[in-house]
Amino acid sequence: DAKTTQPPSMDCAEGRAANLPCNHSTISGNEYVYWYRQIHSQGPQYIIHGLKNNETNEMASLIITEDRKSSTLILPHATLRDTAVYYCIVRAPQIQGAQKLVFGQGTRLTINP
Amino acid sequence: DGGITQSPKYLFRKEGQNVTLSCEQNLNHDAMYWYRQDPGQGLRLIYYSQIVNDFQKGDIAEGYSVSREKKESFPLTVTSAQKNPTAFYLCATSTDFTDTQYFGPGTRLTVL
Repeated sequence: DAKTTQPPSMDCAEGRAANLPCNHSTISGNEYVYWYRQIHSQGPQYIIHGLKNNETNEMASLIITEDRKSSTLILPHATLRDTAVYYCIVRAPQIQGAQKLVFGQGTRLTINP
Repeated sequence: DGGITQSPKYLFRKEGQNVTLSCEQNLNHDAMYWYRQDPGQGLRLIYYSQIVNDFQKGDIAEGYSVSREKKESFPLTVTSAQKNPTAFYLCATSTDFTDTQYFGPGTRLTVL
């Protein structure tokens, strides 16, 4: 899987949009970009994923650059409950055998009141 | 989460004892996984299963065992052979190996 690079920490004011960047310059053509988050002492929560088009769901939006070498996760109206570690992962669909998820250090996002 | 339950949330074990962690899902997913997470570190794959009665070792299977007798259940036994079992254990599921993995709430195991 391609390696990802994320800032170690970010702060955002409550009610504002939180924009979390991720660099994945060695991504392959069939690799998807996934985002998970983990609140302290809980299991990771799936947020969103995409291949090359921008994606939006009830939790967030994912913007992938045209060359696919970077992406941004957007939480449009951050709340205190969005404080967590956010992980950007790239992976290809695995047909045979399980593909483990490789979590890097992630970005620790703190939402301030 | 949602359709994946892990129990108990916290578990304490004395050295030399085996302990079994439960993972149940009602998502009708075929694939199930066990990961281990240590403080400040990423996930490490212990075992995974694609279908009932079939499972494969992950990267750190030594000292662990699993079974997959039912589609809904994938229990993990931490044996006394596991030298450093204190960790946060996470179960995950997906429709198949190509799809998104969803995680349970986790079990924190502490060896006393």
